[in-house]
Amino acid sequence: TQLLEQSPQFLSIQEGENLTVYCNSSSVFSSLQWYRQEPGEGPVLLVTVVTGGEVKKLKRLTFQFGDARKDSSLHITAAQPGDTGLYLCAGVNTGFQKLVFGTGTRLLVSP
Amino acid sequence: NAGVTQTPKFQVLKTGQSMTLQCAQDMNHEYMSWYRQDPGMGLRLIHYSVGAGITDQGEVPNGYNVSRSTTEDFPLRLLSAAPSQTSVYFCASSHLREFSYNSPLHFGNGTRLTVT
Repeated sequence: TQLLEQSPQFLSIQEGENLTVYCNSSSVFSSLQWYRQEPGEGPVLLVTVVTGGEVKKLKRLTFQFGDARKDSSLHITAAQPGDTGLYLCAGVNTGFQKLVFGTGTRLLVSP
Repeated sequence: NAGVTQTPKFQVLKTGQSMTLQCAQDMNHEYMSWYRQDPGMGLRLIHYSVGAGITDQGEVPNGYNVSRSTTEDFPLRLLSAAPSQTSVYFCASSHLREFSYNSPLHFGNGTRLTVT
């Protein structure tokens, strides 16, 4: 069974701080997706990274896929209360059926 | 445009009872799936389907049955509920691609199930 471990599990910060969330595995993935989930709702896709070493930016969020395609990171600059939520990484293998979700990082940004 | 609709939103069952969680999508997606979400464990795949009449097991299929008679609907059945099945259940769908990097999963808003 492929596993994706996220760290930290919980993160509570003040508005304006920077943070990084890590997603690690011993398995290689074809691509990796990041989702954000708010209370009472399903996860919503933020980004997909495909190429080893790829960096994608989404406003204040920066996503990186590891060179070996086994890990990824999400960096948020100047966090805002609207960034609060559960962040999930998901590893994709050829054959969409094999999407594997990480353990999740719960972020709380206080004003 | 409703997307993925799950019913009910909340359900309480007693051990041994059966029930069906409903999932419907209006996006003509070939791929549909059921996940359960438990604290600290992320989302785990229960069953999935790549089209009408085709289903397969995911990571944690025991205690659950599915069927896919139409493209739109993918119900999840608990035949004899157990306390270990207390969880939040999510249905998700997508266009089917051999390589899925441009096909995000679209999730419903979940069903919170408690088994006592």
